[in-house]
Order: sequence, then structure tokens, then C-alpha cells
Amino acid sequence: EDQVTQSPEALRLQEGESSSLNCSYTVSGLRGLFWYRQDPGKGPEFLFTLYSAGEEKEKERLKATLTKKESFLHITAPKPEDSATYLCAASRGGSQGNLIFGKGTKLSVKP
Amino acid sequence: GAGVSQSPSNKVTEKGKDVELRCDPISGHTALYWYRQSLGQGLEFLIYFQGNSAPDKSGLPSDRFSAERTGGSVSTLTIQRTQQEDSAVYLCANSFSRGDTQYFGPGTRLTVL
Repeated sequence: EDQVTQSPEALRLQEGESSSLNCSYTVSGLRGLFWYRQDPGKGPEFLFTLYSAGEEKEKERLKATLTKKESFLHITAPKPEDSATYLCAASRGGSQGNLIFGKGTKLSVKP
Repeated sequence: GAGVSQSPSNKVTEKGKDVELRCDPISGHTALYWYRQSLGQGLEFLIYFQGNSAPDKSGLPSDRFSAERTGGSVSTLTIQRTQQEDSAVYLCANSFSRGDTQYFGPGTRLTVL
């Protein structure tokens, strides 16, 4: 069964304390691996798409990486405004169009 | 508009009533998806539209749930005879075509009393 698992469920950091969020996946025929940010009461906001092992993408303090089994979202010197739930999702090849989501990591950054 | 919009933003209904949720997608984006997000759960896929047809309805939890899309644009998700377990945030997403990045609307929070 295709599955996406995120860890940890929750992460508390001090401002400036770098860390990484993990997303492991077992998806047949992975087409793409997506990272989203979700703030309370809002829809997920797109961050990155990764298509092949070894690929990396960066945006401000965030960097996403992909291997054949997992993806990492690295947060460098986080700020309180980075506090949110980060969602990882996988898309499959073939006729299915939907994303398979993990349950997310809730990040809190304290000043 | 520039993004995906959904209405209403909040809906409170009584058990047994029917509800309609609306999604206005990004113009020109042919693929449209409905997801459900329950408290403490990940996003759960419901249905996928390509144009006006729905090649994948596998996520609809029961025959009380249905959806349609008209003119390759607006979509409505209908829940008949609502139950308390239907309470959740219903999210609509849109992509240029199947497999492309999906952009989400703000969601409709449904509460069934």
C-alpha cells in the first residue's frame, strides 16, 4: 500500500536553531514529492516539488532534498514566522491524479 | 481571481441535512481535486476531475457524497443526509494538468451538529 510518513509529529525549536523534518515514502512509481506549509485555518501553501533522487531545492531558510526512500526539509536559522505545519505529499504515475499526504510536522519556533 | 476560492468558508448544519460546497478554480487549470482534512488526520483524497469528467472517485467515503464540475470550471461537492463524522475541513485543489503541482483553496470548515 502506498504510504507517506512524516516525523517528528511536532518539533519545538528556539529561534536560530537549525533542524530537519523527515518524510519517508513507499509509493510505487513515484512521480513527484511535494512539500507544503499550512497555517492554522488556511489551505496548504505550495513550497517545493522534487522529481528525482539527489534533487535539492531552496527557498529562503528552507531546503528540500530527495532520496529514493525519503525526503528532508532542512530549516536553517528558523524564525518565529516559520512556525506552521509542514506537509509532505507524493504523486504517482499512471491514471491516479491525487496526492498521498503524510500527517504533517507541526513546527513551533520560539523567540 | 488569481487563486483557488471556496465557499462558504464555514458551514454549520444539523445532522440529516444536505450541504453543497463550492470550488472556483484557477482559470485554465484543467485538473481539480477534493480532499478532506479531519482533526489530527492527514489530507484524505475524495475525487479527481479532468475537465468535466471524474476518472477517479475512489476516495468518496459513501454514496451520500457526490461531486460535479461544469464548464471545466466550478465544482460542487454535495453531501446528503450529513452525519457528525462528516465534520471536517473540505479542501479543493487545482493543477494545470494531472500530476502537476496542486494549488489549494482556503477550505470549507463543515460542522455537523
